[in-house]
Amino acid sequence: AQTVTQSQPEMSVQEAETVTLSCTYDTSESNYYLFWYKQPPSRQMILVIRQEAYKQQNATENRFSVNFQKAAKSFSLKISDSQLGDTAMYFCAFIVIQGAQKLVFGQGTRLTINP
Amino acid sequence: DADVTQTPRNRITKTGKRIMLECSQTKGHDRMYWYRQDPGLGLRLIYYSFDVKDINKGEISDGYSVSRQAQAKFSLSLESAIPNQTALYFCATSDFYGTEAFFGQGTRLTVV
Repeated sequence: AQTVTQSQPEMSVQEAETVTLSCTYDTSESNYYLFWYKQPPSRQMILVIRQEAYKQQNATENRFSVNFQKAAKSFSLKISDSQLGDTAMYFCAFIVIQGAQKLVFGQGTRLTINP
Repeated sequence: DADVTQTPRNRITKTGKRIMLECSQTKGHDRMYWYRQDPGLGLRLIYYSFDVKDINKGEISDGYSVSRQAQAKFSLSLESAIPNQTALYFCATSDFYGTEAFFGQGTRLTVV
């Protein structure tokens, strides 16, 4: 079975601090994409960052970066210089490229950035 | 206009009623999905479709049915709604390679 686990239901940091959200996943496939999605109170699902499993280099998008450890099946999200607008639910997800492609989500982490 | 549109945005219905949630997309994608979001459980897959003639059950399909009326339209039905189907429902689409999923704005469904 393909699963995603986010072990931190809630996190809270002060504005401008750096925060890391954890994610582990399980799959027997070798070719897949990993994602972090942000869901603000508006409930819109927003893609934050994507990582191709075949790439060793960690993806970065401005203040957002990932630490992808394929052997450990770990995919953490680091937010640098956190801002009030980063307050949201964050979901880790992955999709296998071949075969029946189903986007599988973790349970989510509620992140609060305090002023 | 949004690429993926869900209607209604919010709905309150009574136990035992039939309800349909609709999804339409302008992305031109063949792959469409229905997810349910509950606190602490993340998004769970209800049904997915890879083209008009291909419908597949997800992990929590019991109590739900779907219809793929066209490439752009994918509807989710609750034949006889029950309170534990109260949740936030999302429709999503993706391209063939699954490089990104595009989500609708969600439907907040409350069954009383």
